[in-house]
Amino acid sequence: EPEVTQTPSHQVTQMGQEVILRCVPISNHLYFYWYRQILGQKVEFLVSFYNNEISEKSEIFDDQFSVERPDGSNFTLKIRSTKLEDSAMYFCASSKTDREETQYFGPGTRLLVL
Amino acid sequence: DAKTTQPTSMDCAEGRAANLPCNHSTISGNEYVYWYRQIHSQGPQYIIHGLKNNETNEMASLIITEDRKSSTLILPHATLRDTAVYYCIVRAFSGTYKYIFGTGTRLKVLA
Repeated sequence: EPEVTQTPSHQVTQMGQEVILRCVPISNHLYFYWYRQILGQKVEFLVSFYNNEISEKSEIFDDQFSVERPDGSNFTLKIRSTKLEDSAMYFCASSKTDREETQYFGPGTRLLVL
Repeated sequence: DAKTTQPTSMDCAEGRAANLPCNHSTISGNEYVYWYRQIHSQGPQYIIHGLKNNETNEMASLIITEDRKSSTLILPHATLRDTAVYYCIVRAFSGTYKYIFGTGTRLKVLA
């Protein structure tokens, strides 16, 4: 069964460093999403992406964040200068279409900013 | 804010049916109800979704009331591995159909 994959599973970085989180969505999916979950808190929407453009972004997704689909398979989330409060689980999700299709989530990347 | 409300926690005996309720009183006529679960800090796992009719798959059944203001997820024979946080989600549209997660129901299956 096709699944969303994410790398790395864990990432430790120093405050102020750049990190890139990688996702490989399900191959015939066209819509891509990033969510995050700070330890003990709710899963929060960050951004959605379709047709090489951001469709929507939340207040969390400020100028320090960017997303890219550099090739036909990868979908990346970059945090330009990490802060302590960026420590969280980051989940990638994908869906075939937007309106009625189920989003399938990856296993997540645990980011720890020291 | 999430468009759904769920009990914070529930217990269920192993082998018994787990019935998880969800209220979504402001749901619109064309909005689906989705159920996911999250085991520890793993990625949310899709369980089932529905619009009006009751649905069943290999994991669970979904019962939606006729007025669509509430639903119940049924795990027919709960096992210890079903211990997780269960989320009932009605998607919000504001440019894209993102998921707004609430706090979910923490289901503990007891041996």
